[in-house]
Amino acid sequence: GQSLEQPSEVTAVEGAIVQINCTYQTSGFYGLSWYQQHDGGAPTFLSYNALDGLEETGRFSSFLSRSDSYGYLLLQELQMKDSASYFCAVLSGGSYIPTFGRGTSLIVHP
Amino acid sequence: GAVVSQHPSWVICKSGTSVKIECRSLDFQATTMFWYRQFPKQSLMLMATSNEGSKATYEQGVEKDKFLINHASLTLSTLTVTSAHPEDSSFYICSAPGTGADTQYFGPGTRLTVL
Repeated sequence: GQSLEQPSEVTAVEGAIVQINCTYQTSGFYGLSWYQQHDGGAPTFLSYNALDGLEETGRFSSFLSRSDSYGYLLLQELQMKDSASYFCAVLSGGSYIPTFGRGTSLIVHP
Repeated sequence: GAVVSQHPSWVICKSGTSVKIECRSLDFQATTMFWYRQFPKQSLMLMATSNEGSKATYEQGVEKDKFLINHASLTLSTLTVTSAHPEDSSFYICSAPGTGADTQYFGPGTRLTVL
């Protein structure tokens, strides 16, 4: 089966940098995605890593280490609007259907 | 980018009634759509894969006779919750895959409350 682990909650202040970690166990790993979901809303795609290394998109960056089965989402220059749940998701096993982690609730304080 | 819509955005119904939720891809064709269920503060759990022109594929533990899925066209999939009960109250979200393996376009979700 597949399993993903990520912290349930992270808090930070505006302007700070926060890192949300995700470890996974799966077979036939393709890649790791990150999604953002605000309360009452649908998930929105943030990033995808298939290869080791760091992918940067504006204030958000995502990292993957396939050998460690580990990835993280890095959020810089935090803003209040970044308060949301962040899900890591793996693509694996011949399927392009993501399996989601439990999500990390990010709370940004003024 | 690609847009997926859902209707209704929220619905309240009495126990024992059936509720139909529509998922539409607005500017692209989707031969496959996915239906998820999300309980408060929990992850998205895949319920089933909807395939245009053929039967849906249900995940283990999901009752296919209770959650009827129809994918009648390349832009529309419907999920019908039959004989709904309070424990079916949840946030139902559909998605359609993008051209790459890495992207999923999610609908805005439907909040179902069964009284």
